[in-house]
Amino acid sequence: DQQVKQNSPSLSVQEGRISILNCDYTNSMFDYFLWYKKYPAEGPTFLISISSIKDKNEDGRFTVFLNKSAKHLSLHIVPSQPGDSAVYFCAAWNGNKLVFGAGTILRVKS
Amino acid sequence: DTAVSQTPKYLVTQMGNDKSIKCEQNLGHDTMYWYKQDSKKFLKIMFSYNNKELIINETVPNRFSPKSPDKAHLNLHINSLELGDSAVYFCASSQFLTGIGAFGSGTQLSVL
Repeated sequence: DQQVKQNSPSLSVQEGRISILNCDYTNSMFDYFLWYKKYPAEGPTFLISISSIKDKNEDGRFTVFLNKSAKHLSLHIVPSQPGDSAVYFCAAWNGNKLVFGAGTILRVKS
Repeated sequence: DTAVSQTPKYLVTQMGNDKSIKCEQNLGHDTMYWYKQDSKKFLKIMFSYNNKELIINETVPNRFSPKSPDKAHLNLHINSLELGDSAVYFCASSQFLTGIGAFGSGTQLSVL
């Protein structure tokens, strides 16, 4: 029962362009969504989040969009930088635990 | 001054052995977690403790026993290790009922 899905295992983007990472979820009880970034041999680090009562949250180069009717969220990174190359995990909070997607590997080419 | 530290980073052992992974956080968080990242790369919660009390146990086999001596520590003991236990185990912490957590750097467990 994969409640949080990241259907793109990897994404390659040119430096300076926009990176769009997508995430779908199935459980309408999720009320908070988060993106985590992970470098090799390190733990995930929190990047940005959004409450289910909002449809957009922005933090510098990072913006998360939430479409509740479609049960879909996306992370936009503009402009993309080589240091953004990492695995990005989408996660949903159901009140007492996080449910993670499988992650998307982002490669930003210089 | 690492926020969430777990040891060891790598653990290679034989089937049937017993091993422990230690975790400590210095963030003052009251909730700690163990996650398992399997071969498909999903991060799945195993346990969570709030102020030393077990909150979540995600139908993990009894061979896995978490122990929280205080709210800054959550250790994971695994008995009778099996091949399928090979994975990366992450410790994490957060304030209770918030999803924003800090993770340790992971322990790569290889059972031969």
